[in-house]
Amino acid sequence: ETGVTQTPRHLVMGMTNKKSLKCEQHLGHNAMYWYKQSAKKPLELMFVYSLEERVENNSVPSRFSPECPNSSHLFLHLHTLQPEDSALYLCASSQDGWGYTFGSGTRLTVV
Amino acid sequence: AQKITQTQPGMFVQEKEAVTLDCTYDTSDQSYGLFWYKQPSSGEMIFLIYQGSYDEQNATEGRYSLNFQKARKSANLVISASQLGDSAMYFCAMREGYYGGSQGNLIFGKGTKLSVKP
Repeated sequence: ETGVTQTPRHLVMGMTNKKSLKCEQHLGHNAMYWYKQSAKKPLELMFVYSLEERVENNSVPSRFSPECPNSSHLFLHLHTLQPEDSALYLCASSQDGWGYTFGSGTRLTVV
Repeated sequence: AQKITQTQPGMFVQEKEAVTLDCTYDTSDQSYGLFWYKQPSSGEMIFLIYQGSYDEQNATEGRYSLNFQKARKSANLVISASQLGDSAMYFCAMREGYYGGSQGNLIFGKGTKLSVKP
């Protein structure tokens, strides 16, 4: 596989569920990102990891918990979400901010 | 303050014609990068073109060109000879700092939905 792969592509979850989104990059990049894309709003940066360390958290609620076990994998753990958290979640990677590559996203619906 | 402004929520263009998608930006940095991405209904963000703030020539990539007017802080995307497959959302984005600053975070505009008519 090449590029940035996200799974699952679609996810429906109840407000009391716990689920995880997965992102994997095969580009040898050293930075990975989670973005949230809601309807009629710009993409919002949620988390940034550089060399597996979290370097930025843009005031994201604690019901979203990221994990970066190595430079190729990034997870977003979800628990007790709200309906307004329904959105497209995009993962991206870069090499020091260059060669930004996005995955196809996970479309999340919270019911 | 909004850093990337795309004033056209939606645009229509006839197949084979050219179209310009507007983007203005706001930054106090001297070094920055400007990007355009295409997002089809499948959701993935596809990189189209990049312009660095110190680049003297306007960037071109095939049918895509970027009309960079630094003094006006605008970075409009021009698509020549539109094709039906060009129908998608188009996002303008900016990275502040030549070396990416804080790991090269991208700031996005709200996007323009382009529809190509046969």
